[in-house]
This record gives sequence, C-alpha cells and structure tokens, in this order.
Amino acid sequence: NAGVMQNPRHLVRRRGQEARLRCSPMKGHSHVYWYRQLPEEGLKFMVYLQKENIIDESGMPKERFSAEFPKEGPSILRIQQVVRGDSAAYFCASSTTGVGQPQHFGDGTRLSIL
Amino acid sequence: AQKITQTQPGMFVQEKEAVTLDCTYDTSDQSYGLFWYKQPSSGEMIFLIYQGSYDEQNATEGRYSLNFQKARKSANLVISASQLGDSAMYFCAMREAFYNQGGKLIFGQGTELSVKP
Repeated sequence: NAGVMQNPRHLVRRRGQEARLRCSPMKGHSHVYWYRQLPEEGLKFMVYLQKENIIDESGMPKERFSAEFPKEGPSILRIQQVVRGDSAAYFCASSTTGVGQPQHFGDGTRLSIL
Repeated sequence: AQKITQTQPGMFVQEKEAVTLDCTYDTSDQSYGLFWYKQPSSGEMIFLIYQGSYDEQNATEGRYSLNFQKARKSANLVISASQLGDSAMYFCAMREAFYNQGGKLIFGQGTELSVKP
C-alpha cells in the first residue's frame, strides 16, 4: 500500500499522559500536514512540515503540542499532558511540490482521553 | 483571511439523479486552488477533484464536476447519476498557491449527502 500510513488507528490515553501519533507520507512526497477534526466539524490545520523543518505551525496550540519530521522515519505529532478536549481525530496528509497537487490523507488516528 | 462556506449541512438525493453541493470561498489572493474531499462513515478522507484559480475550464473527474464561478467565488461540486455509495460527508477546501511549494488547506464545515434508493 503506497498511501499515507498513520498509526495507531485508535489511541486511548488518560488525562495527563502523553500521546504520540505517527505518519509516514506517500512515497515521493516531501510535504506533510497535520489536521485535527473535532466531532461534527471540518478539519482544522495544525502544522505543515518538510524534512527537518517546520514550515507553518500557525494552527498548533502554543502549549503541549509539538511536531517533527526527521530526516529518517515518520512524522510525529506529540501531545503532552493530554486533556479531555484533545479527544479528536487527527489526520496526516502528504503532497508533492506543485500548486495543483492534492493532499492525500491517511486514515487518521482517533484519540480518546479518559 | 481565507474562508470556505458550505451552507448545506445535509442534502438528500434520489439514486441515479444529479446533485449539487454548494461551496463559496473568500480570499484576497489571485492564485489559489480549490479541492473537494469525500469522507465516508468509515472516516477516511478521499480526494475527489481539483480546480485552479487560473483554469479556464471547469474540472471534471468521472461523475464529479466542479462548477467554478470565479466572479461569484463559488466552486460547487456536481455529482451525476448518484449511487448509494456516494452517501458521505463532503468537504470543500482551499489552498493559497505558493509557487512550487505546498500550503495548508482551509476546510468548510461539510455537507452530509444521503442517497435514497
């Protein structure tokens, strides 16, 4: 399967724990994006990364959230000290360079906070 | 600031009929891209169709076409010959274009389409 791979599909954490969400982009894609979808809402942009660089993090909460896309390995979205309000579906997308190139999405990680 | 508006929270259509899902957008940029995605109940996001702001012809992709009216800032999705499998949430999205780079998508609130047999 050459699509965007996200894991885990479902993640349950207790309040105060850390959540780590992983994303492997499609082969040949150098741009990675993270979005969050709250119930009954559209997707909200969080962060845009290229290898070893954060390009745009204007949608990231200022505290507890961080993202990286290292030279080797998947992109990681990390949420520290999770709270109930962090419960959501987190989607990763990737694209190639180019104005008209669509972003291809992974199946998402459903994060539930107990 | 960029904004996408989808005014139809829910739509019904009879199987085999055509349906139009509305999308209006707001941007001050001259160069941008418009996208439609489908999200079935299983939750994944499926890319359907793309329209660039400088494209003179409306985009088509199989049973999907995009009715692009630049002056009215609308980019409606038309689905012809609806099928039961078209029942899903549909999202309109926009990206301001940066040459040879990527850029974030701004999504609308979505329209839930139900196809009746």
